[in-house]
Amino acid sequence: GAVVSQHPSWVICKSGTSVKIECRSLDFQATTMFWYRQFPKQSLMLMATSNEGSKATYEQGVEKDKFLINHASLTLSTLTVTSAHPEDSSFYICSARLRGGTSNQPQHFGDGTRLSIL
Amino acid sequence: GENVEQHPSTLSVQEGDSAVIKCTYSDSASNYFPWYKQELGKRPQLIIDIRSNVGEKKDQRIAVTLNKTAKHFSLHITETQPEDSAVYFCAAPRTSGSARQLTFGSGTQLTVLP
Repeated sequence: GAVVSQHPSWVICKSGTSVKIECRSLDFQATTMFWYRQFPKQSLMLMATSNEGSKATYEQGVEKDKFLINHASLTLSTLTVTSAHPEDSSFYICSARLRGGTSNQPQHFGDGTRLSIL
Repeated sequence: GENVEQHPSTLSVQEGDSAVIKCTYSDSASNYFPWYKQELGKRPQLIIDIRSNVGEKKDQRIAVTLNKTAKHFSLHITETQPEDSAVYFCAAPRTSGSARQLTFGSGTQLTVLP
């Protein structure tokens, strides 16, 4: 149980392109999903918290107009990297937390998306 | 906000030996501490977690201990095997706000030598 699917697994595209990444909770509902960015040999850095039916909450220093988040249902959140540039190249990972219960529930991660901007 | 420090950054052990990774946190109100294992290029996987109402939790070869007074928690892996080689991350939740975002430690690259 608690499977999170992330798509696509890798993207290579030209500078200036917008890229959409999907995060789906397959066998549970998630009112809250999280988007992380991970550089090689570094830790997971939270970018934003995605809340179903409301606006996402962005971490300090993360441009909300650059990284658009939509959480339209209890099982799907999307991250769109707009007008991507080489410095946006990274490993993007989503996670989801089971709806209900206490807020101290585990986060379950997707497989990540490796984004390379040429 | 929560500040999580993790040590060591790299750890090499011989197969069969034990490995210990330590984390400290800053927010005394934090009450949930997960550990994740991440193999190269793959997703972080939850391997064990502990809540602050207990001091220790064990699952086969893996255990986590929590010292709330000192604000630190540790991951213990016994009888290590080559497949335990990976990066391990500890985490602690922010207590401000309702989303309880996790702050992750910097990670420990564990290498189990055959």
